Amino acid sequence: DTAVSQTPKYLVTQMGNDKSIKCEQNLGHDTMYWYKQDSKKFLKIMFSYNNKELIINETVPNRFSPKSPDKAHLNLHINSLELGDSAVYFCASSQDNHNTDTQYFGPGTRLTVL
Amino acid sequence: GQQVMQIPQYQHVQEGEDFTTYCNSSTTLSNIQWYKQRPGGHPVFLIQLVKSGEVKKQKRLTFQFGEAKKNSSLHITATQTTDVGTYFCAGSKYNFNKFYFGSGTKLNVKP
Repeated sequence: DTAVSQTPKYLVTQMGNDKSIKCEQNLGHDTMYWYKQDSKKFLKIMFSYNNKELIINETVPNRFSPKSPDKAHLNLHINSLELGDSAVYFCASSQDNHNTDTQYFGPGTRLTVL
Repeated sequence: GQQVMQIPQYQHVQEGEDFTTYCNSSTTLSNIQWYKQRPGGHPVFLIQLVKSGEVKKQKRLTFQFGEAKKNSSLHITATQTTDVGTYFCAGSKYNFNKFYFGSGTKLNVKP
């Protein structure tokens, strides 16, 4: 069974479109994250939710809106996509939001904006 | 700006050679984690260091946390082709519940 799953795995779209990426974890964790990994492999945290509540919101354009319908799901909606949004987006989860918790990453969604 | 620096960016070694990647922070960290990302894959947790001067081993991998808790290293003895991937450190500061990932070191091992 996949612990952290994301859909879709690949996403190719035109500039200006709106798209969503979905994430689900079956580990019973309370905290979920979205990371962006650019072409240089930098991993940058974007958002973190703990029990459906937003706890980390880094300097991310407000075109990005996370939504957590329940603690097992954290979706990412992106409006008006731009070329610079092209990256691999990783969802992750951890038991809680303590800084000693291990993070479990999903397989990633490779977003290409044309 | 980048909170945690990692060097080198790339390392190419012959199979059997040793490999080390270093992680440095300008501020004291509460703990540090190490992750490995295989090509085309996702980061996978390797280990966590919490105590000053801590050393942990996993088979051929040795992890160290500096005395000042500002730096860390991962050393692989006698690399194998299965070690290929990008190794990331991720540091967390006291009273903060997020990790700052280093820029990663991409290891290539030639058979």
